[in-house]
Amino acid sequence: EPEVTQTPSHQVTQMGQEVILRCVPISNHLYFYWYRQILGQKVEFLVSFYNNEISEKSEIFDDQFSVERPDGSNFTLKIRSTKLEDSAMYFCASSVTSGANVLTFGAGSRLTVL
Amino acid sequence: GIQVEQSPPDLILQEGANSTLRCNFSDSVNNLQWFHQNPWGQLINLFYIPSGTKQNGRLSATTVATERYSLLYISSSQTTDSGVYFCAGRPGNQFYFGTGTSLTVIP
Repeated sequence: EPEVTQTPSHQVTQMGQEVILRCVPISNHLYFYWYRQILGQKVEFLVSFYNNEISEKSEIFDDQFSVERPDGSNFTLKIRSTKLEDSAMYFCASSVTSGANVLTFGAGSRLTVL
Repeated sequence: GIQVEQSPPDLILQEGANSTLRCNFSDSVNNLQWFHQNPWGQLINLFYIPSGTKQNGRLSATTVATERYSLLYISSSQTTDSGVYFCAGRPGNQFYFGTGTSLTVIP
């Protein structure tokens, strides 16, 4: 079964450092997403991406965050200057279309900011 | 955004018991999924169920879209069923998650 692949599975970084989380969505999917889950809390939407641009973003997705699809397969989330409160599990997801279609999640990247 | 309420928040079961988890939405959704988050934090898709009933082994789910709720049934629970169960739905592009039901199955 096709999978969404995320790397790294766990990253530890110092406050103020830049972090890039990588995702390889399912190959025929056109819509890509990043979600975040702070430990013990619910999963929250960060951003959606379609046709090489952001289609929707939440209040959490401020200027320190950016997303990019640098080539035909990777989809990245960059956090420019990490803060302690950025510590969370970050999930990438993809779907064929938006709306009424299955959203497939990756296994997540756990980010720990010290 | 829409509100997603899940009940119960916590559930402890003896192995072999059955349970029902509920998910209520404050507004209509055109996509509804149930997930199991395992102890490693991975979100495993259980069902894509915007309406109707589906079954997969010991698990089944029913969504009544007109009344904006969904139910997840777990029968003959096993210790490996432990974890957090999330429902999530989207009226448009953005997916809204519930706060989850934390299930512990004891042997």
